[in-house]
Amino acid sequence: SAVISQKPSRDICQRGTSLTIQCQVDSQVTMMFWYRQQPGQSLTLIATANQGSEATYESGFVIDKFPISRPNLTFSTLTVSNMSPEDSSIYLCSVGQGMNTEAFFGQGTRLTVV
Amino acid sequence: KQEVTQIPAALSVPEGENLVLNCSFTDSAIYNLQWFRQDPGKGLTSLLLIQSSQREQTSGRLNASLDKSSGRSTLYIAASQPGDSATYLCAVRPDGSSNTGKLIFGQGTTLQVKP
Repeated sequence: SAVISQKPSRDICQRGTSLTIQCQVDSQVTMMFWYRQQPGQSLTLIATANQGSEATYESGFVIDKFPISRPNLTFSTLTVSNMSPEDSSIYLCSVGQGMNTEAFFGQGTRLTVV
Repeated sequence: KQEVTQIPAALSVPEGENLVLNCSFTDSAIYNLQWFRQDPGKGLTSLLLIQSSQREQTSGRLNASLDKSSGRSTLYIAASQPGDSATYLCAVRPDGSSNTGKLIFGQGTTLQVKP
């Protein structure tokens, strides 16, 4: 299994500002993903973060709004830029070692934009 | 396009009851299916992973089955306890050359076990 530490656990931010969320894993992992969970909804993938290359974004998500870094095999950041109240969600980091392996999630970052 | 559906959306049972949560998916081309538990405002805890070639997996009071051809999975919880109260999420990992390893989630079943 993998232990994932996400920071911050929660934050309240002013609209128009940006927040960077950190995801630290206790072992090297191949795959790292960022998901969003809007209030009362299930999880939606924002992007796949691969080390040494640009992130791959899902339809409806763009790099200017959600820039991602993956500097090494244990760490990634997601930035939520120019925030609006609609960005209020739980953001979750997930990791995996391969297609046939278990996916693990961090505890999430609860973001409220006012 | 893969879609995952969970029924029921919510369930309330008395303590001690055995229960079944249902998950269906529209495309049988999957690597695996995973069941998670989510407590309010928290992240996801992995419960069981079933590979596409497997029929079931067991962990303690939990048993998950997979019928890939019919696009169905069930999570069986035996002798439910108040501590089992949470939202249970089903997710599939699609197969295919363009797949990045992402998971596609159902909407979840919110379970309440009453003492």
